[in-house]
Amino acid sequence: KQEVTQIPAALSVPEGENLVLNCSFTDSAIYNLQWFRQDPGKGLTSLLLIQSSQREQTSGRLNASLDKSSGRSTLYIAASQPGDSATYLCAVISNAGNMLTFGGGTRLMVKP
Amino acid sequence: NAGVTQTPKFRVLKTGQSMTLLCAQDMNHEYMYWYRQDPGMGLRLIHYSVGEGTTAKGEVPDGYNVSRLKKQNFLLGLESAAPSQTSVYFCASTRFWRERNEQYFGPGTRLTVT
Repeated sequence: KQEVTQIPAALSVPEGENLVLNCSFTDSAIYNLQWFRQDPGKGLTSLLLIQSSQREQTSGRLNASLDKSSGRSTLYIAASQPGDSATYLCAVISNAGNMLTFGGGTRLMVKP
Repeated sequence: NAGVTQTPKFRVLKTGQSMTLLCAQDMNHEYMYWYRQDPGMGLRLIHYSVGEGTTAKGEVPDGYNVSRLKKQNFLLGLESAAPSQTSVYFCASTRFWRERNEQYFGPGTRLTVT
């Protein structure tokens, strides 16, 4: 059974810092990995999707990498801003199933 | 283009009552999903649909039923609500399968069962 872990569970940084969020998964046979953002009391917003044949994706200040063989992904946020404060979730779709398996999330706070 | 919408936003039920949650999408997506989100448990898939008229069980289907009579709508039913079904329910949809399966989520329905 696929398991997804995110470290750290919470992170507090001053504005302007570059930061890295980590995601690991136990079964490397995946179709894709997706990073989401969730604001308190809101739904999930898709940030980046990395297909299994890709190594990374970029959108603005966000860069996500995927290393399937080691079962890891990182989300890099450059020049963090208070508006980046939210919970970040990673999820994978495994070859064995048709469902997204989510990690527990990293709660990020960027202090002004 | 409203994306994925969910009705209602909040609901309080008594144990044993029934209700239906409605998910609607206007993106002509083929695939739709229902998840629940609980503290410490993360997001878990309840049921999903790969097209109009089809449904399939996810990770935690017990106590729920679903229907997909129209492509744009996916209904989640609770026939006899239990306190363990207190949760936030999210609907999602996607156009593609497998590698290109990028899911778009609704705003959620917060359900409390007393």
